[in-house]
Amino acid sequence: DGGITQSPKYLFRKEGQNVTLSCEQNLNHDAMYWYRQDPGQGLRLIYYSQIVNDFQKGDIAEGYSVSREKKESFPLTVTSAQKNPTAFYLCASSIALRGLQPQHFGDGTRLSIL
Amino acid sequence: GESVGLHLPTLSVQEGDNSIINCAYSNSASDYFIWYKQESGKGPQFIIDIRSNMDKRQGQRVTVLLNKTVKHLSLQIAATQPGDSAVYFCAENMGGGSYIPTFGRGTSLIVHP
Repeated sequence: DGGITQSPKYLFRKEGQNVTLSCEQNLNHDAMYWYRQDPGQGLRLIYYSQIVNDFQKGDIAEGYSVSREKKESFPLTVTSAQKNPTAFYLCASSIALRGLQPQHFGDGTRLSIL
Repeated sequence: GESVGLHLPTLSVQEGDNSIINCAYSNSASDYFIWYKQESGKGPQFIIDIRSNMDKRQGQRVTVLLNKTVKHLSLQIAATQPGDSAVYFCAENMGGGSYIPTFGRGTSLIVHP
């Protein structure tokens, strides 16, 4: 079955540490996205990528970095500069950035601070 | 369980009732709307979508209504089941040819057996 796989499901970060969240899709989608979800809030866009080797900042990119070296993969690094990283992180993909079609989501990674 | 449902508007219904979840959107130029369902500890799951040139669309047990005059979207779930318990999000695409949707806060639906 095609889908989006996020790993790990739970992740713990120590002070001053960078951590990387994995996102892999086998849907052959061009566009990929990273969202942050906090309790009682909607999804906020961190970064998105329209195509391989291209990515753009979303609304809350500070303290995060991404890469898009392969179509299937869009890892997110939460750097030590992100002072409030505790949240539920969701990766999504869509056929293309332009056009009217829904996003497909992974099952998220919950990041907590040790 | 996960805490994504905390402090959200909540709708409680009895099993078998019809549920209506409402969403006010912000941009009169939005041209595409989506409803997602998010179960505890999981990612959002697509339910149904509607384009701005329509005012109603039906799926299996679900209907989405769009009122562009008052910028209002609703999701109707017929014969609600315990498995429908989840947080429901609406999302709007603000048009201009780019698909970066804006998500609402969500509504928590609780179905009592």
